[in-house]
Amino acid sequence: DAMVIQNPRYQVTQFGKPVTLSCSQTLNHNVMYWYQQKSSQAPKLLFHYYDKDFNNEADTPDNFQSRRPNTSFCFLDIRSPGLGDAAMYLCATSRSSGGYAEQYFGPGTRLTVT
Amino acid sequence: GQNIDQPTEMTATEGAIVQINCTYQTSGFNGLFWYQQHAGEAPTFLSYNVLDGLEEKGRFSSFLSRSKGYSYLLLKELQMKDSASYLCAVQDSNYQLIWGAGTKLIIKP
Repeated sequence: DAMVIQNPRYQVTQFGKPVTLSCSQTLNHNVMYWYQQKSSQAPKLLFHYYDKDFNNEADTPDNFQSRRPNTSFCFLDIRSPGLGDAAMYLCATSRSSGGYAEQYFGPGTRLTVT
Repeated sequence: GQNIDQPTEMTATEGAIVQINCTYQTSGFNGLFWYQQHAGEAPTFLSYNVLDGLEEKGRFSSFLSRSKGYSYLLLKELQMKDSASYLCAVQDSNYQLIWGAGTKLIIKP
């Protein structure tokens, strides 16, 4: 009964080689989020979608892009990964973006850049 | 700017009680969340406070004082499996979650 699924769990890519991370949800939640989290740091919000409305955080680098083709799926594209992009990437969902909005997280994808 | 402050690390003994504090300065307030995150895993929801006072859920309780911009998470009867990071997060006026860096809790036998 997995609710938020992320694939792959571990991803190794080469410096500058594009990589795509995927997330799917079975909760039928309207809102989906992508976070980047580095060791011992707070999760950093990269993007979020309310339905198909895309919201890009002001300080998200241009190197990162996202797609949400339907309610269930969301993708994070890193066009030219650098060593500083090595991190855990967390996908989360919530029923709404206002009011009580508990976020449900997937298990994360740990990205290594060589 | 918006800021969430939590201690970086705390140590406690199995069976004891520990209180993890969180102070916040945000543009507006629409609720405060506590999440637990084991090493290498995703955060999992623990508690939510939007009104002042104490919310109790089993061994875990969370307290909020909006006037003081302060919350704490109280863990009782500590178990080894409670070793994890505990993240405080506040929903601001735009309902965006502002996250703290987390408190790493180490439980010793």
